Amino acid sequence: EAGVVQSPRYKIIEKKQPVAFWCNPISGHNTLYWYRQNLGQGPELLIRYENEEAVDDSQLPKDRFSAERLKGVDSTLKIQPAELGDSAVYLCASSLVVGEVFFGQGTRLTVV
Amino acid sequence: KQEVTQIPAALSVPEGENLVLNCSFTDSAIYNLQWFRQDPGKGLTSLLLIQSSQREQTSGRLNASLDKSSGRSTLYIAASQPGDSATYLCAVIYDYKLSFGAGTTVTVRA
Repeated sequence: EAGVVQSPRYKIIEKKQPVAFWCNPISGHNTLYWYRQNLGQGPELLIRYENEEAVDDSQLPKDRFSAERLKGVDSTLKIQPAELGDSAVYLCASSLVVGEVFFGQGTRLTVV
Repeated sequence: KQEVTQIPAALSVPEGENLVLNCSFTDSAIYNLQWFRQDPGKGLTSLLLIQSSQREQTSGRLNASLDKSSGRSTLYIAASQPGDSATYLCAVIYDYKLSFGAGTTVTVRA
């Protein structure tokens, strides 16, 4: 069974440019999460989806971040415009409603 | 707000020694607790999931215990190997989301 797939693995952009990350969760998992991990810290939740509905986006910086999960499957996280402080690893994860959570390999974003 | 703490932040042991990693959380109203392993530059790999009704969970050389009332979990890794070198993160499922500690970075010396 395929795990959570993310792309790209690495991205380097100049500040003020837009960037997008893509995630394909494990088949059948209705819950999808986007987390951000800064160096030396644990991941922090940005947004949680139940099917296509964003049920927890309280930690998403909505002035520059947006996310969508069309048809309750794949998801895209976008940053526009990017700032230097956005450099981090962006992790996508999926699970059944309250089951074991599985993570993708992450996208390492560097903003220069 | 749920706070998750992992002590120590780093640990170095000789090969063959048993590892004991600690995790504490402030609110005992958790649904599950999950232990992860993270290799440098990689995503998180799930090691063990302990449901709130369970006291422990085992997989191979790994054993994790959970004491909800005291807000603690311990991950034991028996007979450590150099390949066990990684960062180990504990996370509690609380309010339908994972809240993570900062991790314990383990180095197993050959």
